Amino acid sequence: DGGITQSPKYLFRKEGQNVTLSCEQNLNHDAMYWYRQDPGQGLRLIYYSQIVNDFQKGDIAEGYSVSREKKESFPLTVTSAQKNPTAFYLCASTTGQGITGELFFGEGSRLTVL
Amino acid sequence: AQSVTQLDSHVSVSEGTPVLLRCNYSSSYSPSLFWYVQHPNKGLQLLLKYTSAATLVKGINGFEAEFKKSETSFHLTKPSAHMSDAAEYFCVVTEYSSASKIIFGSGTRLSIRP
Repeated sequence: DGGITQSPKYLFRKEGQNVTLSCEQNLNHDAMYWYRQDPGQGLRLIYYSQIVNDFQKGDIAEGYSVSREKKESFPLTVTSAQKNPTAFYLCASTTGQGITGELFFGEGSRLTVL
Repeated sequence: AQSVTQLDSHVSVSEGTPVLLRCNYSSSYSPSLFWYVQHPNKGLQLLLKYTSAATLVKGINGFEAEFKKSETSFHLTKPSAHMSDAAEYFCVVTEYSSASKIIFGSGTRLSIRP
């Protein structure tokens, strides 16, 4: 079945460590997104990519980095520069005409900083 | 500029009674509007979408929404609530101007009383 796979589902990190969250899709979608969700809040855009080897900063990119070397993959690195990284992270994808299309979401990755 | 406002952060209804989750939007162009549902520790799933076709949109699990341009609203309704409807609901608006212009509401938590 087509879909988006995020891993790991749960991740614990010590302060000062970088961690990488994986996002893989087999939907043949061009556009991919990373969102952060905090309790009781909506989704905030971290980074997005509309095409391989290109990505753009979202509203809260500081302390995060991404790469898009393959169409299927859009990993997110949470760096030590991110001051408050504990959150639920969601990856999504959509077709190139994403504005009128549905966003498909992964199951999320919950990061906790110890 | 786009914006979306979910008027209630929390709605509680009794099982078997109607559900109304309210969403108002602002858009400079013809918007596309979506409702997504999120169960705890899960990704978001599309309930329904409006993309300039019929103004009354039917979605999954008995939900529907009506696009009212004059009121700039896109309220989500269901005639009879079920316990399994307890979740977080997000209203989303997009504009055909940039792939980054996907705006999420802050969410409405729906609780169902037995």
